[in-house]
Amino acid sequence: QQPVQSPQAVILREGEDAVINCSSSKALYSVHWYRQKHGEAPVFLMILLKGGEQKGHEKISASFNEKKQQSSLYLTASQLSYSGTYFCGTVPPSYGKLTFGQGTILTVHP
Amino acid sequence: DTEVTQTPKHLVMGMTNKKSLKCEQHMGHRAMYWYKQKAKKPPELMFVYSYEKLSINESVPSRFSPECPNSSLLNLHLHALQPEDSALYLCASSRRAWGDEAFFGQGTRLTVV
Repeated sequence: QQPVQSPQAVILREGEDAVINCSSSKALYSVHWYRQKHGEAPVFLMILLKGGEQKGHEKISASFNEKKQQSSLYLTASQLSYSGTYFCGTVPPSYGKLTFGQGTILTVHP
Repeated sequence: DTEVTQTPKHLVMGMTNKKSLKCEQHMGHRAMYWYKQKAKKPPELMFVYSYEKLSINESVPSRFSPECPNSSLLNLHLHALQPEDSALYLCASSRRAWGDEAFFGQGTRLTVV
């Protein structure tokens, strides 16, 4: 079951904040976040595990609400380098596979 | 070395050709994956190898045949492909399946003519 991301696209000025949401209709074991720039491979940002804490590094952090089966990615004081497509990926509790959401296109302008 | 290396970077093949995509990692990861990605779409899982054994095959047509010769290498053999198979094929690896960060290769851009 593919998770649903929102919004589909975000346009920011440098220094602005953004939140990308990921929602699943099924119970989750973990949520993964990746960023993919045009023509490049997806790059891992972070993983959030059931029962784990909110994670983050520098100005990018994420939360995972297990009961609501939702995760949010927070980008603070955005930089031009943050531009790209952000994918969340969800893994169910039983041994299953990671399924990516449809992606959120983030564009940061000077 | 935190790199997943894929070759070739670009491939154009006819519908009657046989070709192979290669993927290599030296991070000691025991899970390796093949994904297919169409333009403006998320990566779509094709196959998963865990400890060199095929653990997931996402109902991929038999014209795609994966192979894991050893823990560092992953191949995808292609035969009699269709134009709709044109896509970016991504290889990824992780320490164990699904529980850890996955490292993606740069992909092979495949065009079937």
